[in-house]
Order: sequence, then C-alpha cells, then structure tokens
Amino acid sequence: TQLLEQSPQFLSIQEGENLTVYCNSSSVFSSLQWYRQEPGEGPVLLVTVVTGGEVKKLKRLTFQFGDARKDSSLHITAAQPGDTGLYLCAGGGGNTGFQKLVFGTGTRLLVSP
Amino acid sequence: ETGVTQTPRHLVMGMTNKKSLKCEQHLGHNAMYWYKQSAKKPLELMFVYNFKEQTENNSVPSRFSPECPNSSHLFLHLHTLQPEDSALYLCASSQDGIAGGTDTQYFGPGTRLTVL
Repeated sequence: TQLLEQSPQFLSIQEGENLTVYCNSSSVFSSLQWYRQEPGEGPVLLVTVVTGGEVKKLKRLTFQFGDARKDSSLHITAAQPGDTGLYLCAGGGGNTGFQKLVFGTGTRLLVSP
Repeated sequence: ETGVTQTPRHLVMGMTNKKSLKCEQHLGHNAMYWYKQSAKKPLELMFVYNFKEQTENNSVPSRFSPECPNSSHLFLHLHTLQPEDSALYLCASSQDGIAGGTDTQYFGPGTRLTVL
C-alpha cells in the first residue's frame, strides 16, 4: 500500500513568516501534485511536478520534487491570511495516471494577521 | 451554475435510512469520481467513471452504490450506513475519460454526511 505522510500536521503562524510543508513516502511516484482545500470547499490543484529534482514556483509558493521521486516539499514565503487552508500532496502518474491518486495525510495551515 | 456542484451540502441520516448524494458537473468532462474525506484518514478514492462506465471500485462496501446515468451526473446511493461512514463525500470530474488519464481533477464542495 502506498502511503504519503505529510509534516507537520498543523501549523499556526503569523503573517509574513516563511514555512515549509513536507510530503514523504517509501514508494516512488511518477508525479506528485499539491492541492489546497479551503473550509467548505473541495481541493484545488496548485501544481504538478513530474521530474525528479524539479522545482516549480507559483508566486510565493515553491514546490520541489525529490531526486528519487519519493518526497516533495512546499515552501511559502511571507505567508498571508489567504494562504490558510488544508494542503494535500497526492501521488500518481504511470499506468494509472491521475485517475487513481494517493493523497497525503494533509497539513492544516493557519496564518493569522 | 459552473464547475462541479453537489447536493445536499449537509445530510444527517439514521443507520436504517436510504439517501442519495448528487453531483453535477458543468465542464463537459468525461470522467467523474467519488472520494471520501474523513477526519482520521487521508482523502480516499471510492469510484471512477469514464464515459458513464465504472472503471474503478476501490474495495468500497456495497452499502455505497454509485450510479452514473450520463457524463454530467453522478449519484451515490446510501443504505444501512454505519456511524464510521460519517465523512465529507467529494465528487470530482476531469476531461480525459480514459483509465490512466492525466487531466486535472476539479472537485465539488462536498456533502457533509453524519450517520447517527
């Protein structure tokens, strides 16, 4: 069974601080996705990384896929209250594509003004 | 309406009740999904439909019965549920419609189900 462990589980910070969320597995994934889920809403895709060692930037968010494709990280610079939400990583790709995603345990982020 | 909608948003049912969850997507997509999100476990895939045909059943108990009458609508029929089935049930859709497709999934807001 493929598992994706995220850390930390909860993170409460002040506006302007930096943070990093980790997503780790003992399994290799062809691709890794990151989602953000706000209260009362479904998850929304932020990024897909497909190459080991790949780094993608989305404004203040930086995503990295580990060289061995077993882990990923999400770094947020100068967090804002609008970044508050549940961050989920999800592994997929290969023969099953993105139709059978394995989701991580989630990191709940609260950014206070 | 745009995107993926789900009704009802909240549902409370007894263990002997029968109820149905509805999902509708307005994106012209060919694949639809049911997921379960509970407090103690990661988001879990339940079912996948491609062009109205079920292509994935992730060992879901038979008390959950999906139905996909067309590519825009997906139902989840519930009967004799257990308290541990209380969770947020999310619907999603994607363009592809082929097993192993790689298109982005778009999620609805979910139905919060409580089983008493």
